[in-house]
Amino acid sequence: SQQGEEDPQALSIQEGENATMNCSYKTSINNLQWYRQNSGRGLVHLILIRSNEREKHSGRLRVTLDTSKKSSSLLITASRAADTASYFCATDPSWGNNRLAFGKGNQVVVIP
Amino acid sequence: DTAVSQTPKYLVTQMGNDKSIKCEQNLGHDTMYWYKQDSKKFLKIMFSYNNKELIINETVPNRFSPKSPDKAHLNLHINSLELGDSAVYFCASSREGAYAEAFFGQGTRLTVV
Repeated sequence: SQQGEEDPQALSIQEGENATMNCSYKTSINNLQWYRQNSGRGLVHLILIRSNEREKHSGRLRVTLDTSKKSSSLLITASRAADTASYFCATDPSWGNNRLAFGKGNQVVVIP
Repeated sequence: DTAVSQTPKYLVTQMGNDKSIKCEQNLGHDTMYWYKQDSKKFLKIMFSYNNKELIINETVPNRFSPKSPDKAHLNLHINSLELGDSAVYFCASSREGAYAEAFFGQGTRLTVV
């Protein structure tokens, strides 16, 4: 099955700085989604970008998608301590069946 | 109101035992899932149920069996538990079709001793 692979896997930044993480995948996709997981909690959906979109914004989040390189990036601007979490990308393959495949995730620590 | 709820939150049990994890969603979604998250936080899909039919069954040991009494519930039964089954198990649900986001439960941390 297809899996997103985030890079880097651990990021430590100061509050107010921007955090960028990347995700690569291997097969054709219908859409790509980013999720956040706080320690000891379930995953929460952040943003979805369709395969025919190149960039999408939601509040302080900016997601890009390059289907030719099979990669995506998530940018969190003006980070806050509350952004400390693990971030996962998930790919929804073009053959459907609601089959989200997740990668390992990026641990982001925002230092106040 | 909790959208996707699973119980118990923690489960400690001995090898060889049989256990169940329950999951309920009140979102009216047609599709429910079980994911396993290992100690390295890698999240792997185990099962997916759509309208009470299993549509995905990854390479999961047959000791694991999903049971869906109705559209709002998808329980996970595990027989003859092994040490390697220790992980966090997440239930999730989504509406059917493309561009659907998944809603996750809080997770069940299973520890097999």
